[in-house]
Amino acid sequence: AQTVTQSQPEMSVQEAETVTLSCTYDTSESDYYLFWYKQPPSRQMILVIRQEAYKQQNATENRFSVNFQKAAKSFSLKISDSQLGDAAMYFCAYSSRGSRLTFGEGTQLTVNP
Amino acid sequence: GAGVSQSPSNKVTEKGKDVELRCDPISGHTALYWYRQRLGQGLEFLIYFQGNSAPDKSGLPSDRFSAERTGESVSTLTIQRTQQEDSAVYLCASSFSGKETQYFGPGTRLLVL
Repeated sequence: AQTVTQSQPEMSVQEAETVTLSCTYDTSESDYYLFWYKQPPSRQMILVIRQEAYKQQNATENRFSVNFQKAAKSFSLKISDSQLGDAAMYFCAYSSRGSRLTFGEGTQLTVNP
Repeated sequence: GAGVSQSPSNKVTEKGKDVELRCDPISGHTALYWYRQRLGQGLEFLIYFQGNSAPDKSGLPSDRFSAERTGESVSTLTIQRTQQEDSAVYLCASSFSGKETQYFGPGTRLLVL
């Protein structure tokens, strides 16, 4: 079975600085997707970024980028120029093609003004 | 609306009563998923519908849980004889084909007294 581990229950960052959230996963498959979702207090799950395992290039979305290390089964999220609105719970998630998402336990990010 | 919608937003019930939770997926999305999120935890997969295929019910925690979907539209998650351990946020997601990104609704917060 696939598992996703987020080893940082809480992280904090100063506004305008950079923070990296860690995620590792375990799978025997070669074709899969990885995601970072953000969940603010409103509890709406919002997609931040997505990575296809077959792509060597790391995905980027504006201030958000990932460091995907397939051999190490590592998928970290870097947030640059942190903003107060980035404060939320961040979940790393795994999906093989056409199946359910397996989530980590989440990292609560605080952004300090 | 453009997004996934869920109703009710909040539900308080007494132990032993039945509840029904509703999900309206994004129009045109053939895949629909239900997840459960207990307080302070990640999401647990419950059930997955894809088009006219038999649903994947492997995540349902007990036979008190069931779900239906009418074609490629509305889905209803039913919990019979609710228990206090069923208290959680129930999130619905949909995707275009089951192989694409899942988009989440705002969830239903269920409290069993």
